[in-house]
Amino acid sequence: GESVGLHLPTLSVQEGDNSIINCAYSNSASDYFIWYKQESGKGPQFIIDIRSNMDKRQGQRVTVLLNKTVKHLSLQIAATQPGDSAVYFCAESYGGATNKLIFGTGTLLAVQP
Amino acid sequence: DVKVTQSSRYLVKRTGEKVFLECVQDMDHENMFWYRQDPGLGLRLIYFSYDVKMKEKGDIPEGYSVSREKKERFSLILESASTNQTSMYLCASTLTGQVSPTDTQYFGPGTRLTVL
Repeated sequence: GESVGLHLPTLSVQEGDNSIINCAYSNSASDYFIWYKQESGKGPQFIIDIRSNMDKRQGQRVTVLLNKTVKHLSLQIAATQPGDSAVYFCAESYGGATNKLIFGTGTLLAVQP
Repeated sequence: DVKVTQSSRYLVKRTGEKVFLECVQDMDHENMFWYRQDPGLGLRLIYFSYDVKMKEKGDIPEGYSVSREKKERFSLILESASTNQTSMYLCASTLTGQVSPTDTQYFGPGTRLTVL
């Protein structure tokens, strides 16, 4: 049979709807979190970040929410557009060193026109 | 804009071959990184370099080596390619080695390597 781990979770939304992508992180001591967007055939691109002393941060059409109690991070995209179709993944860091980033496996966002 | 380029988008090699993956950044960044990206797994750090001729092992260095002779160029070397090294390889760079809103990591487009 197939391994579930080989298939990315997929979120399918209609253009114009809001999207919520979730991420569970592993280290309760992590103090910095990043969301990346990776379009097909491209490298990951920084979207937004948040420090552990915050529970919400807003950017342009994107909001990141941090729930440290349950070690959960979410990325909200308002008015999703076809150009938002990509794999989104989170990363966590403890202590601030870039070489210590721990990356999540990602969610595929598919925007239906 | 920071630009990180990788020498090949797709590469097919045979088991036992020596493989060179090249990465160049044009923003005078001190730190460069090589990751591999596999389905169902997050990016995993192979090696990184914080200065010319300096290198540090990441989480999965076995079977790989690196070279940084010039600040802008960081090469990943597979001394004897094996099928389990079939993967997407991503290069990245940052100005400092510390994550922060003002120093994000910039990634190249990736090299998809297939080892037959």
